[in-house]
Amino acid sequence: RKEVEQDPGPFNVPEGATVAFNCTYSNSASQSFFWYRQDCRKEPKLLMSVYSSGNEDGRFTAQLNRASQYISLLIRDSKLSDSATYLCVVNANAGNMLTFGGGTRLMVKP
Amino acid sequence: EAGVTQFPSHSVIEKGQTVTLRCDPISGHDNLYWYRRVMGKEIKFLLHFVKESKQDESGMPNNRFLAERTGGTYSTLKVQPAELEDSGVYFCASRSLLQYSPLHFGNGTRLTVT
Repeated sequence: RKEVEQDPGPFNVPEGATVAFNCTYSNSASQSFFWYRQDCRKEPKLLMSVYSSGNEDGRFTAQLNRASQYISLLIRDSKLSDSATYLCVVNANAGNMLTFGGGTRLMVKP
Repeated sequence: EAGVTQFPSHSVIEKGQTVTLRCDPISGHDNLYWYRRVMGKEIKFLLHFVKESKQDESGMPNNRFLAERTGGTYSTLKVQPAELEDSGVYFCASRSLLQYSPLHFGNGTRLTVT
């Protein structure tokens, strides 16, 4: 089993839709969780950190479920510009190494 | 604040040649990471420096890859001799020592080995 797993998608949704992605992690001792966004041929950019109590940034909501070992990203009112690959990143061990999931591709259609 | 910078942005070399990639982290970031994305695959960890020390190099594919960070500032990743399967995008990232601090990525170096 991979340390960090994501559904690769693609998720094809119409503008204005709400879409959610999950990311599961295998190491129960993981402490830091992040969502990154990567556009084609570009570097990953931090979208948001994921806090234990869940957090929201505009149309984006991130949640952590430690019992089931997954994090989620909810995007409301999808825009065309949200089309990208969303990467889940987990600090999967105590050595400060951050492990990437394979990414979930989102395509928002007009 | 300047971000993470990488050089070159793109390199095309022939099999058997040598290439050296450079990364300048954000000033003050002691953690420096190298990652690689091969076409169609997920981003894979290569190695991690804390200041000038290699904290974890478990992701380095083989001894053709050599990373250094003399003085704990910029880092270089040398591939010698390059093979076709080394083609991909090499990302450098840095973060502070603060717990829960996120990674900041450079633009990446796209390496093509022909």
